[in-house]
Amino acid sequence: NAGVMQNPRHLVRRRGQEARLRCSPVKGHSHVYWYRQLPEEGLKFMVYLQKENIIDESGMPKERFSAEFPKEGPSILRIQQVVRGDSAAYFCASSPQGTGNTEAFFGQGTRLTVV
Amino acid sequence: DQQVKQNSPSLSVQEGRISILNCDYTNSMFDYFLWYKKYPAEGPTFLISISSIKDKNEDGRFTVFLNKSAKHLSLHIVPSQPGDSAVYFCAARPYTNAGKSTFGDGTTLTVKP
Repeated sequence: NAGVMQNPRHLVRRRGQEARLRCSPVKGHSHVYWYRQLPEEGLKFMVYLQKENIIDESGMPKERFSAEFPKEGPSILRIQQVVRGDSAAYFCASSPQGTGNTEAFFGQGTRLTVV
Repeated sequence: DQQVKQNSPSLSVQEGRISILNCDYTNSMFDYFLWYKKYPAEGPTFLISISSIKDKNEDGRFTVFLNKSAKHLSLHIVPSQPGDSAVYFCAARPYTNAGKSTFGDGTTLTVKP
């Protein structure tokens, strides 16, 4: 039973380009979350998605960032016109339920470097 | 405004001794708490959790204590092993929202042989 799979593991983009980060949740999990970790900091919640729906995007920057979790296929975090400040580790997590005494299982992350 | 704080960036203990990692929170809406362990270049791995209706939860060498009135929790590792060396993150969330955890900045634990 594979865990949360993220790809690519490392992504280098020039300023102004687009970054697309993919996340396949644990099989059977329909709740997906994206977090961002800046150097020397903890993980910061960005967005919570459930198949085809955005449940909570309160941590997502208002511009340039978007996320989706289609009926088929992985969840995608998209960053348009990347800037140096977007350089961070982006982690995806999934859980079998959206509430209660359940933990979120994390992927290994995508390390985005903007040059 | 940091709602979850881990005031010790690092902790060093001798193998076999107890490691105590501390965490404070400010948001009264948090009623479920988790500890994650993270190695470099990997994602966080769940360790142990506790809900606000309890004050202690134990799993093998790991015990989490919750003091609701002080808004404080701690993770005890006994006995500590060199393989426990990692960054430990405290996280807190509402019981009703499994994914919207607020994380502390982490404590780097080093267990010396």
